[in-house]
Amino acid sequence: GAVVSQHPSWVICKSGTSVKIECRSLDFQATTMFWYRQFPKQSLMLMATSNEGSKATYEQGVEKDKFLINHASLTLSTLTVTSAHPEDSSFYICSAMRQNKNIQYFGAGTRLSVL
Amino acid sequence: DAKTTQPPSMDCAEGRAANLPCNHSTISGNEYVYWYRQIHSQGPQYIIHGLKNNETNEMASLIITEDRKSSTLILPHATLRDTAVYYCIVSLWVNTGTASKLTFGTGTRLQVTL
Repeated sequence: GAVVSQHPSWVICKSGTSVKIECRSLDFQATTMFWYRQFPKQSLMLMATSNEGSKATYEQGVEKDKFLINHASLTLSTLTVTSAHPEDSSFYICSAMRQNKNIQYFGAGTRLSVL
Repeated sequence: DAKTTQPPSMDCAEGRAANLPCNHSTISGNEYVYWYRQIHSQGPQYIIHGLKNNETNEMASLIITEDRKSSTLILPHATLRDTAVYYCIVSLWVNTGTASKLTFGTGTRLQVTL
């Protein structure tokens, strides 16, 4: 159990366009989901914490107007990168916390390339 | 959250036990030790976690010292598929339902060889 699905697995887009990434917990309910970003040869950096039905909490330095997070249900959170630019190219990874377990289970990640 | 220190890299022969150390000397009483691993170009995979007792599951064993200032993750019979970056993370366990953040360091790159 504890499967987290992330879609798409990779996306290439033109500069200025918006990209939506979905994160779903397939076999459990997740009151909290997290979004991370990982640049090449670096570790994961937390971008934001998303609680179902409320506004996301963003980490310092992460632009909330650029990285829109919606957590409308207990099994789905979305990250929209608005007006993407080449510097937004990265590996985006979501995780979902199983209720009352305090264990984060991660999706497979989305590789975003902005041309 | 307490900071952790791990060796940057380790090698292990296939079939042998891989022992990955982690120092967390500033850990506080309500912080757990979590281990995750990340195989190249994939999302991290949860391995195991513990507070003060040793823990074992189908993937690994976690040995935490009595003073809780360090721990060791043991993969009993390493295979080539265990080649990955292993992250030791200290994080609060909050029973109120508030999720705790995970702060990833640089981890240990484990290379399992034939």
